[in-house]
Amino acid sequence: AQSVTQPDIHITVSEGASLELRCNYSYGATPYLFWYVQSPGQGLQLLLKYFSGDTLVQGIKGFEAEFKRSQSSFNLRKPSVHWSDAAEYFCAAINIYGNKLVFGAGTILRVKS
Amino acid sequence: DAMVIQNPRYQVTQFGKPVTLSCSQTLNHNVMYWYQQKSSQAPKLLFHYYDKDFNNEADTPDNFQSRRPNTSFCFLDIRSPGLGDAAMYLCATSRGGREGGQFFGPGTRLTVL
Repeated sequence: AQSVTQPDIHITVSEGASLELRCNYSYGATPYLFWYVQSPGQGLQLLLKYFSGDTLVQGIKGFEAEFKRSQSSFNLRKPSVHWSDAAEYFCAAINIYGNKLVFGAGTILRVKS
Repeated sequence: DAMVIQNPRYQVTQFGKPVTLSCSQTLNHNVMYWYQQKSSQAPKLLFHYYDKDFNNEADTPDNFQSRRPNTSFCFLDIRSPGLGDAAMYLCATSRGGREGGQFFGPGTRLTVL
């Protein structure tokens, strides 16, 4: 069965520091992968997506993610975190029928000044 | 701007009193989804419409129903809300297929007294 794992429930980084959020997937076919961000009390906003081509994808708000098939990973990165990046981040994969997102459990990012 | 709109943003209802949540979209997407999200959890898919075709998740309680009168609107009806139904309810849309990802509304926070 398809699954998405985010190993870190909480991460705290200092403002200005770099960030990497981990995501691993278990998928039989070519995965279609997404990162979403959710601020408290808000819906989910799509940061970036990968389904083919260049394995390093750029997203909004200065985020990028790298797809590594050998490691079954799709980690999200940002070189310098801003206080406004504090939120919950969800990695997700779309199922083979294209009608269902499989979410990871989410990682809560805290930014300290 | 094309978007997904949910009304109301906050809804308070009484135990057992039917409630309807509304979602509309200006994206002209074929697929509309309803998710339930409880605190510190990933969104859980309740059901989705592909055009007029309704697709229920196997573990969605009968207490939850949905209507899609046209392309733009979709409603979530909770026939007899219980305390355990208090959650954030998220509407999302997609074109269908795997590449595009899903676009989420801001959510409706449901409180059951």
